[in-house]
Amino acid sequence: GAVVSQHPSWVICKSGTSVKIECRSLDFQATTMFWYRQFPKQSLMLMATSNEGSKATYEQGVEKDKFLINHASLTLSTLTVTSAHPEDSSFYICSARGLAEVIYNSPLHFGNGTRLTVT
Amino acid sequence: GESVGLHLPTLSVQEGDNSIINCAYSNSASDYFIWYKQESGKGPQFIIDIRSNMDKRQGQRVTVLLNKTVKHLSLQIAATQPGDSAVYFCAGNFGNEKLTFGTGTRLTIIP
Repeated sequence: GAVVSQHPSWVICKSGTSVKIECRSLDFQATTMFWYRQFPKQSLMLMATSNEGSKATYEQGVEKDKFLINHASLTLSTLTVTSAHPEDSSFYICSARGLAEVIYNSPLHFGNGTRLTVT
Repeated sequence: GESVGLHLPTLSVQEGDNSIINCAYSNSASDYFIWYKQESGKGPQFIIDIRSNMDKRQGQRVTVLLNKTVKHLSLQIAATQPGDSAVYFCAGNFGNEKLTFGTGTRLTIIP
């Protein structure tokens, strides 16, 4: 149980274009989803917290107009990288916490990430 | 401030031996810690967690030790196997819903 699916697993796009990444909780409902970014040989850095039906909360230094997050249902959150540039190339990973895990002392379930390469 | 860090960036262990991965944190506000395993090109995979009211928790071939006095966390993997080769991250919640990750340790199992 507690499977989180990301799509696509990898994407190559041209500079200036936008890319949408989907994150789905397959067998549970997720009130909260988190989007992380990971550069090579580095740790996961939280970008934003996404709550179903409300605006996302962005971490300091993350441009909300560049990284658009939509969490329209309890099983789907999307991250859109707008006007992508080569420096946006990274590994984007989403995670989710289920309704039954609203207490903070519970693990997050992670997707398998999306490798974005901007040329 | 909130930070979770690891002592060593890389660790090589002979297959069959035990491995210990360490993690230090600076903020005592965390009441929950997790160890994740990340294989190349994949997302983090949950290994084991521990709450701050515990000092030890065991799973299958893994043990997590928590020393709140010195703010230190460790992951012990017994009888390592080639499939244990990965990057291991510790993470803590520091009293909120977010998880803060450590820098990671790359564990390599030598056949």
